[in-house]
Amino acid sequence: AQRVTQPEKLLSVFKGAPVELKCNYSYSGSPELFWYVQYSRQRLQLLLRHISRESIKGFTADLNKGETSFHLKKPFAQEEDSAMYYCASGGGTGNAGNNRKLIWGLGTSLAVNP
Amino acid sequence: GAVVSQHPSWVICKSGTSVKIECRSLDFQATTMFWYRQFPKQSLMLMATSNEGSKATYEQGVEKDKFLINHASLTLSTLTVTSAHPEDSSFYICSAPGPGPLGLRAPLHFGNGTRLTVT
Repeated sequence: AQRVTQPEKLLSVFKGAPVELKCNYSYSGSPELFWYVQYSRQRLQLLLRHISRESIKGFTADLNKGETSFHLKKPFAQEEDSAMYYCASGGGTGNAGNNRKLIWGLGTSLAVNP
Repeated sequence: GAVVSQHPSWVICKSGTSVKIECRSLDFQATTMFWYRQFPKQSLMLMATSNEGSKATYEQGVEKDKFLINHASLTLSTLTVTSAHPEDSSFYICSAPGPGPLGLRAPLHFGNGTRLTVT
């Protein structure tokens, strides 16, 4: 069965420090990996997806198939980055994949201290 | 952009009563919606997948008779917590895959959540 592991429940860093939120997945096929973020008192929203290969709010995540990882990184953390981050995995692409559930990690709470 | 509206935002009910939570996709159609439960400062737990025009698919350990899901139209899914008890108090969230380009899984759009308190 698919599994997504976020080993850190809580990550605390100082402003300006680099941050890396870890995510490992298990999927034998071609995975689709996502990072979703939930800021305080806001709804969950997509942060980025591996297939887009883009940087959002300074965050990047590279899919490493050899290590089955999709760690989220930012070189200089900001206080406004404090939030709950969820890594999620889905198998299969295409519209049919839309109706298939994602497998969620347990989430990592990031606290960026001034 | 795609918006998912969830109602009510919060509800307090007495033990033994039932509560209905609505999830609407406002500007797109959703044949599938997902219902989650989120405990304070804890993870998101998928409860069930709501399928338009057919039965919902429940995750292991979720009582389908307790959490009734109806997805009668392409824009509305409802979750009814039947015979609620204090242990059902939680934050319930729905999501729906939004429109997206062919060949690419659409991102999920989430409702604002419903805080249920059972007294």
